[in-house]
Amino acid sequence: GENVEQHPSTLSVQEGDSAVIKCTYSDSASNYFPWYKQELGKGPQLIIDIRSNVGEKKDQRIAVTLNKTAKHFSLHITETQPEDSAVYFCAPHRGTGKLIFGQGTTLQVKP
Amino acid sequence: EAQVTQNPRYLITVTGKKLTVTCSQNMNHEYMSWYRQDPGLGLRQIYYSMNVEVTDKGDVPEGYKVSRKEKRNFPLILESPSPNQTSLYFCASSQRTSGAGEQYFGPGTRLTVT
Repeated sequence: GENVEQHPSTLSVQEGDSAVIKCTYSDSASNYFPWYKQELGKGPQLIIDIRSNVGEKKDQRIAVTLNKTAKHFSLHITETQPEDSAVYFCAPHRGTGKLIFGQGTTLQVKP
Repeated sequence: EAQVTQNPRYLITVTGKKLTVTCSQNMNHEYMSWYRQDPGLGLRQIYYSMNVEVTDKGDVPEGYKVSRKEKRNFPLILESPSPNQTSLYFCASSQRTSGAGEQYFGPGTRLTVT
């Protein structure tokens, strides 16, 4: 079946530094690539997504890059702030209804 | 306000006592899904529904049942709960029938089975 892996599982950075989380997937038919942020005690929330006809997408301090050939996509957060501390999930999707999420990356931003 | 609601938010029960966790969305979304979240395992899909009266198994469907009789509701049923079903459960909905779009998550239901 489909395999989705996220790395690293934990990431600690100083405020103002950049953070990068990578998601590797096995299903070459995947065509939708979202990243979700889960704050403590809440449900996950979409922060950025990209579709397979685009290589990169930016929204202020966050960006997602996609490499379909290598079957991975990455979340980039620049100028990190303490409120970026959360768990981040990827969930590459081929549009058949079944969803597989990565195991999650816990990001800690130290003031 | 557009939202997904789940009830109850917290539940402690005993092995074998049937329970239902309700999920409702007010966004007229076609797709709904249930997930469980366990430490180190991320979110794992239990069941999903791409339309009324259409449900399909996710990765971990054993021990769970669902139904989709109306578009807005997607209850999760545990006929005979066991301690290994102790977990944090999330319901989600999405506008696209395939689910290949933003998932809107509910606030979660923390279930403990003793």
